[in-house]
Amino acid sequence: DIVLTQSPGTLSLSPGERATLSCRASQSVAVFLAWYQQKPGQAPRLLIYSASSRASGIPDRFSGSGSGTDFTLTINRLEPEDSAVYYCQEYGRAPKLTFGGGTKVEIK
Amino acid sequence: EVQLVESGGVVVQPGGSLRLSCAASGFTFDDYTMHWVRQVPGRGLEWVSLISWEGTGTSYADSVKGRFTISRDNRDNSLYLQMNSLRHDDTAFYYCAKGHVDAGMVLDQWGQGTLVTVSS
Repeated sequence: DIVLTQSPGTLSLSPGERATLSCRASQSVAVFLAWYQQKPGQAPRLLIYSASSRASGIPDRFSGSGSGTDFTLTINRLEPEDSAVYYCQEYGRAPKLTFGGGTKVEIK
Repeated sequence: EVQLVESGGVVVQPGGSLRLSCAASGFTFDDYTMHWVRQVPGRGLEWVSLISWEGTGTSYADSVKGRFTISRDNRDNSLYLQMNSLRHDDTAFYYCAKGHVDAGMVLDQWGQGTLVTVSS
């Protein structure tokens, strides 16, 4: 089974700064990787799919990159509303999929 | 507007059974792969199961295989999860989610979840 390891566990940054979140897969998933944002008490929201394609309605402050085993979610110009837990998800071995453990982003 | 509304979550005893439902609206339901994902309160996401648009293809996480059954009724725009032989570690919020039009394994719309508690 593919294991996704997200780092860091928690990121504490100030408004206007850039957040860089990492997701590493235990084996190659090509570009079959998505990112989700989950705020407290809410369902997850799709941000990025195919490693770098923004989902509908997602601001261009959010960007994804990477392929194979190493992926990055970058959030530019952090806003207070970006405070959330971010999950990566692989779908390189359909019809199963796996989520990473999450990175919590705190806005100071 | 896409809406997914889960129901059926209750407190159930270990070994018991439960059926969750998800009512879908705002999109052509029978065009899309659908999924169930669960989350222990305060913990991460765990994919549970998927069903193809026509209902003939299904897949399950190893943790639920043989105990849970996913199904759908495209006439009623409804998704179901039959849960048998429930265990304490099945306690979680259960979300239904819609597959993306370009990649059915990407979950582009989610319901608000229903809480299943397995407890004696």
